Amino acid sequence: DSGVTQTPKHLITATGQRVTLRCSPRSGDLSVYWYQQSLDQGLQFLIQYYNGEERAKGNILERFSAQQFPDLHSELNLSSLELGDSALYFCASSVGLGNEQFFGPGTRLTVL
Amino acid sequence: GESVGLHLPTLSVQEGDNSIINCAYSNSASDYFIWYKQESGKGPQFIIDIRSNMDKRQGQRVTVLLNKTVKHLSLQIAATQPGDSAVYFCAENSGSSYKLIFGSGTRLLVRP
Repeated sequence: DSGVTQTPKHLITATGQRVTLRCSPRSGDLSVYWYQQSLDQGLQFLIQYYNGEERAKGNILERFSAQQFPDLHSELNLSSLELGDSALYFCASSVGLGNEQFFGPGTRLTVL
Repeated sequence: GESVGLHLPTLSVQEGDNSIINCAYSNSASDYFIWYKQESGKGPQFIIDIRSNMDKRQGQRVTVLLNKTVKHLSLQIAATQPGDSAVYFCAENSGSSYKLIFGSGTRLLVRP
């Protein structure tokens, strides 16, 4: 158990819908990262927050957004969902910047 | 759980033998490297890391070797056990960005 929690574990929804994935970092960690893992693309970095502020952005679609709240938990919002958005979404956290990242168990999103 | 990356290269080893998993990285500016282990249905689990000012780092039963000249990283697992069966990812991080860039992964199968 890494100490990073993610909810929900599974999510099944339809195309065009919007969902919110939630992540709680390890106690004391200020950085939160979001990754997408699909069968054909491996682990792809989406976005990083540090102490509430966005610090780095990867290939995150405009339909996706995220935020980190004052209590340091983070939410990833996915809207206008498409079949290709079906994937595992992982959250990771680290103490600061450039430290080892600890991953949560992931949320499996299925878009039908 | 579902398999991740159905077309991953696979390394099959006999229980008790040593395993060597290789990774080539692309960014010569990367200065931090991590190996992760991912078991089916779980998030990536940190194994060992190394910074670019080192060539070798040892952990418990694992050793990471870094060859910056040819941009190559390897993970050696001593006395491989059935519990080591998983997909192994290398990841790199450059000092200018805190995102991790993951390799495509290698599946390790341990034969009893």
